[in-house]
Amino acid sequence: EAEVAQSPRYKITEKSQAVAFWCDPISGHATLYWYRQILGQGPELLVQFQDESVVDDSQLPKDRFSAERLKGVDSTLKIQPAELGDSAMYLCASSDRYLNTEAFFGQGTRLTVV
Amino acid sequence: TQLLEQSPQFLSIQEGENLTVYCNSSSVFSSLQWYRQEPGEGPVLLVTVVTGGEVKKLKRLTFQFGDARKDSSLHITAAQPGDTGLYLCAGATSGTYKYIFGTGTRLKVLA
Repeated sequence: EAEVAQSPRYKITEKSQAVAFWCDPISGHATLYWYRQILGQGPELLVQFQDESVVDDSQLPKDRFSAERLKGVDSTLKIQPAELGDSAMYLCASSDRYLNTEAFFGQGTRLTVV
Repeated sequence: TQLLEQSPQFLSIQEGENLTVYCNSSSVFSSLQWYRQEPGEGPVLLVTVVTGGEVKKLKRLTFQFGDARKDSSLHITAAQPGDTGLYLCAGATSGTYKYIFGTGTRLKVLA
């Protein structure tokens, strides 16, 4: 069964260090999302790609976060420098339709900044 | 600004009881999804509703999309401990491309 792959599953990093997360969406899915989720809350959209183009990054803290999807397939989300408040679950999802229905999620990366 | 408000935020019930979770917005959605998420895992899609007034059933779960496509509900009949989890509604508003999530409802079903 096709699924969204994310790595690493868990990451512990010291504040001020750089950290990167990787996502490989379901094959053929043009839309890719990165979300941040605080424990017990709904996911917050950080960035949304359509193929290799950013559709929305209005909630991405651009002073420290960056995201790319160079070939329109897999994607990387980077934080530099990490801050204590960045500790959260980072979720990647993909969808096969431009109007964003039925997103399918990876297992997420649990980031702890110490 | 959170466009999708869910209620209740927390719910703790006994096995066998019924419950309803609500998802409300002032915006119109082209479609709406419900997900269930367990601790440490990504959300898992339960259902998609598209048409205003649509009702879908998934075993003991009944999903309804409001006539105006601004709200939705999830009703669980005879809840079981396996239903425990975080329930999330999500969708993209008509005219935008942002796929956003509700605030979440944390359900705990006690045996």
